[in-house]
Amino acid sequence: LAKTTQPISMDSYEGQEVNITCSHNNIATNDYITWYQQFPSQGPRFIIQGYKTKVTNEVASLFIPADRKSSTLSLPRVSLSDTAVYYCLVGDGYGQNFVFGPGTRLSVLP
Amino acid sequence: DGGITQSPKYLFRKEGQNVTLSCEQNLNHDAMYWYRQDPGQGLRLIYYSQIVNDFQKGDIAEGYSVSREKKESFPLTVTSAQKNPTAFYLCASSIGDVINEKLFFGSGTQLSVL
Repeated sequence: LAKTTQPISMDSYEGQEVNITCSHNNIATNDYITWYQQFPSQGPRFIIQGYKTKVTNEVASLFIPADRKSSTLSLPRVSLSDTAVYYCLVGDGYGQNFVFGPGTRLSVLP
Repeated sequence: DGGITQSPKYLFRKEGQNVTLSCEQNLNHDAMYWYRQDPGQGLRLIYYSQIVNDFQKGDIAEGYSVSREKKESFPLTVTSAQKNPTAFYLCASSIGDVINEKLFFGSGTQLSVL
């Protein structure tokens, strides 16, 4: 199972771009990289998923270098409502193998 | 709307009592999961089921039991053998065994001990 490492916490201000990097040195060939967002007292919510290069949706972008040993979640122009915990997961399609670490607690300040 | 429904939102357990948490999904997903989350921690897998009438233990199954009699339902029972049951419990589902698997979560049940 690919283990991930990400910062425990980050602070940002409204309107700034936030980049959260996740390390996954032992990622396997078939593994996808998936990011989830969790607000207090709610279940995690899928944000974005990718395999290589760059993926963008209406919420975020995901940058994955060629060696795939890390990935960066980019949140453009954050607002107070983006204050949450963000989890980086790496897996090959078997949901029970996904490991949720403590995640990154993002605090957006006014 | 398709999704996962967990009930109740809050639950209180007395000493020696078994309690059951409900999880229902209408996403037509094959796989379902139960996680436990303690304050400030990540999620830990309790049980999972890839198909009806089959389920497997996760990392912290002791003191818990599940059933999967219907595709839509995956109830979790917290038994009296679970000595520290106070936590936030999350149910999730996924299509099941696809290479780009995504988990869909319910809104959770907060269980507390009286």
